[in-house]
Amino acid sequence: EIVLTQSPTTTAASPGEKVTITCLASSSVSNMYWYQQKSGASPKLLIYSTSSLASGVPDRFSGSGSGTSYSLTINTMEAEDAATYYCQQWSSNPDTFGAGTKLELK
Amino acid sequence: QVQLKESGPGLVQPSRTLSLTCTVSGFSLTSYGVSWVRQPPGKGLEWIAAIWSGGSTDYNSALKSRLSISRDTSKSQVLLKMNSLQTEDTAMYFCARRATTGYFDYWGQGVMVTVSS
Repeated sequence: EIVLTQSPTTTAASPGEKVTITCLASSSVSNMYWYQQKSGASPKLLIYSTSSLASGVPDRFSGSGSGTSYSLTINTMEAEDAATYYCQQWSSNPDTFGAGTKLELK
Repeated sequence: QVQLKESGPGLVQPSRTLSLTCTVSGFSLTSYGVSWVRQPPGKGLEWIAAIWSGGSTDYNSALKSRLSISRDTSKSQVLLKMNSLQTEDTAMYFCARRATTGYFDYWGQGVMVTVSS
């Protein structure tokens, strides 16, 4: 099973600040997916196929990476971005998720 | 529009069997796969099982001996059964549609399952 390690576990950002969340895979994966989950809600797809923006997602979000290292970047933090973010891989069965990164508004 | 809705008992006794239903609309189960993902309170996401558009199934190896996933295409429903429930199975259970390239593009609202006597 491929283990995904996210960092940081928790972080806080001020409005307008740039945020980067990293996801390291225990083995190489071909793609990474990113989800946003707000408190009490189901996860929402943000990024698919490493760097493609899901429908309706603001373009301040971006994804990059390859092999075992991937990242999610929020170019300019907004209050509505406060949430927990998860990476997910499907290159190897079973699907696995990272443990999540909680992003708070400073 | 695409919708998924989970249903099932809120409370299950330890050692009993859990049955959950995911009712979908806006797409065909013969065109898309559906997975179950769970989330214990305050914790992260865990993929449990999948049924693919062709009807084949996959299970999380850690839970495989306790799981069964099936579908009723005439009712647009995906069914999950998990036996020998323990307190650590207490979680929010989500069903999600899997796009052909692997990601989960639509999620249900989830159903909370508590395992307790």
